[in-house]
Amino acid sequence: SQQGEEDPQALSIQEGENATMNCSYKTSINNLQWYRQNSGRGLVHLILIRSNEREKHSGRLRVTLDTSKKSSSLLITASRAADTASYFCADYTGANSKLTFGKGITLSVRP
Amino acid sequence: GAGVSQTPSNKVTEKGKYVELRCDPISGHTALYWYRQSLGQGPEFLIYFQGTGAADDSGLPNDRFFAVRPEGSVSTLKIQRTERGDSAVYLCASSRSTGAGNTIYFGEGSWLTVV
Repeated sequence: SQQGEEDPQALSIQEGENATMNCSYKTSINNLQWYRQNSGRGLVHLILIRSNEREKHSGRLRVTLDTSKKSSSLLITASRAADTASYFCADYTGANSKLTFGKGITLSVRP
Repeated sequence: GAGVSQTPSNKVTEKGKYVELRCDPISGHTALYWYRQSLGQGPEFLIYFQGTGAADDSGLPNDRFFAVRPEGSVSTLKIQRTERGDSAVYLCASSRSTGAGNTIYFGEGSWLTVV
């Protein structure tokens, strides 16, 4: 079964704009991981944020985590057409050592 | 290898046939996972190996599905008497270990179509 929910389910923006995607989860976690999936391809790992971290950066990516609200957000700054993909958050619980995914967010960046 | 490798990348089989999907994890990774992804959905957990043993197989949908990892490296997902509902992308992933800093890396997936 799917754990959390991503919001929005679909997002369309102009190249150069920022894209913000949100994710919620339901149980206590060890970490939360964001992935990108291009159509018909595998999952590419973007960033991991641990439960004791509040914010993390990687290049144009910024991830925040609010454990009190059981939510996370992924910000992509200065978006590019190549950022068009589906984005998934997945929470990792050490108790059962597995990732639980949401349904994903479809991001379209118009050139 | 550099990443998680899965074969075949595409498989079309007839209903009722037997299928094997192979996963070669990143060298040195002790944890290996199988997920299944249907169109428009997120990946769903099937089974997790720590070393040679299946630590959690709670996601396997029924007894037609079975997975092995006999030497703690390569894993094979086996599906008996395939049904059209088994059509999906089967994703394999691996990680160095478990824990809070554990990054899990995925392969490109095996697309299974049952006709």
